[in-house]
Amino acid sequence: EAGVTQFPSHSVIEKGQTVTLRCDPISGHDNLYWYRRVMGKEIKFLLHFVKESKQDESGMPNNRFLAERTGGTYSTLKVQPAELEDSGVYFCASSLERGYQETQYFGPGTRLLVL
Amino acid sequence: GESVGLHLPTLSVQEGDNSIINCAYSNSASDYFIWYKQESGKGPQFIIDIRSNMDKRQGQRVTVLLNKTVKHLSLQIAATQPGDSAVYFCAEKNYGGATNKLIFGTGTLLAVQP
Repeated sequence: EAGVTQFPSHSVIEKGQTVTLRCDPISGHDNLYWYRRVMGKEIKFLLHFVKESKQDESGMPNNRFLAERTGGTYSTLKVQPAELEDSGVYFCASSLERGYQETQYFGPGTRLLVL
Repeated sequence: GESVGLHLPTLSVQEGDNSIINCAYSNSASDYFIWYKQESGKGPQFIIDIRSNMDKRQGQRVTVLLNKTVKHLSLQIAATQPGDSAVYFCAEKNYGGATNKLIFGTGTLLAVQP
């Protein structure tokens, strides 16, 4: 079974540009999460989809970030316009059920560098 | 506020020794904890978890201990191998709300010396 995949693996853009990150969850997983780790800090939650619906977007830093999950399959996270402080690693995770001991499976991450 | 942190940012051990990675959490209402391992260039991989109604849980070469009195979590790795070299994160499950977001600590780098 394929794991969570993310594209691209790396992205280098200039401040003010737009970048779109993609996440393909494990097939059949209704729950999809986005997290990010900025330089030297902990991994922080951004938002949670259940199928195509945003269940919790309390971690989204500002309105420059837009996440979508049309059709409840893959998800995209767009940053527009990108700022220097957006640099970091963006992880996607998926899970089958939101039970007490739900296991979130992480993708390899997209390493974003904003110059 | 809620937070999960680590006592040691870097831990260096000899191959074959046992490793202990520690974690402190601040939210006494947390009821589920997970350890993840992250190797270079990869995403966090689930290692082991424990519910708050347990004090200890064992896996293959790994043991997680939970001390709710002092809000402390530890990961013990027996007979540490070079392949265990990675960053280890503890995470707290924020269960009870509408989402199961994970709250991570900053991570501990485990370096295994041959």
